[in-house]
Amino acid sequence: SAVISQKPSRDICQRGTSLTIQCQVDSQVTMMFWYRQQPGQSLTLIATANQGSEATYESGFVIDKFPISRPNLTFSTLTVSNMSPEDSSIYLCSVVSMQGGYTFGSGTRLTVV
Amino acid sequence: GQNIDQPTEMTATEGAIVQINCTYQTSGFNGLFWYQQHAGEAPTFLSYNVLDGLEEKGRFSSFLSRSKGYSYLLLKELQMKDSASYLCAVKASGGSYIPTFGRGTSLIVHP
Repeated sequence: SAVISQKPSRDICQRGTSLTIQCQVDSQVTMMFWYRQQPGQSLTLIATANQGSEATYESGFVIDKFPISRPNLTFSTLTVSNMSPEDSSIYLCSVVSMQGGYTFGSGTRLTVV
Repeated sequence: GQNIDQPTEMTATEGAIVQINCTYQTSGFNGLFWYQQHAGEAPTFLSYNVLDGLEEKGRFSSFLSRSKGYSYLLLKELQMKDSASYLCAVKASGGSYIPTFGRGTSLIVHP
């Protein structure tokens, strides 16, 4: 199955700033997914990133807050903009694996102070 | 919408067997996943059930009953390293191919 390199692994950021998270996949994939996992909560899908078109956002998430880039079939970025403490969470990217399941990046643990 | 329910926390003894249940209510059904997530790490894929019945993979087995909206993950010969969160995720049919995750069951294995 695909191997995903995600960075940064963690960061502490000031409120009002932005952080860009990167995911690099070792093979070409059509869709990449971005999730958020708040403490003690389940994984919540933020958006689906497609190459060559705008990302598709889930209810409650907007492009201005979470802009996504997908310049090619192996790479995507998620930016968390104008951060507040409520954005403190783990952010994960994911792709569909050969087994039919989903492979996840190692996650980015974001703390906003 | 979709509703997935699993216990918040379970404890078990090393060497024992534990069963983690997951019930779901979805608009259509197109598969159920189990993932393991150690603290501070990404989820890793354990199993995928589409048809009713039991699928065994070493010490881990997963069962599905579509008519009952029910699945369980069975862990045998528990080891300390099995202490982790276990996530149940359901893929609905009818357009959304992306699974919805439950909140996860935190399993604590003690000596």
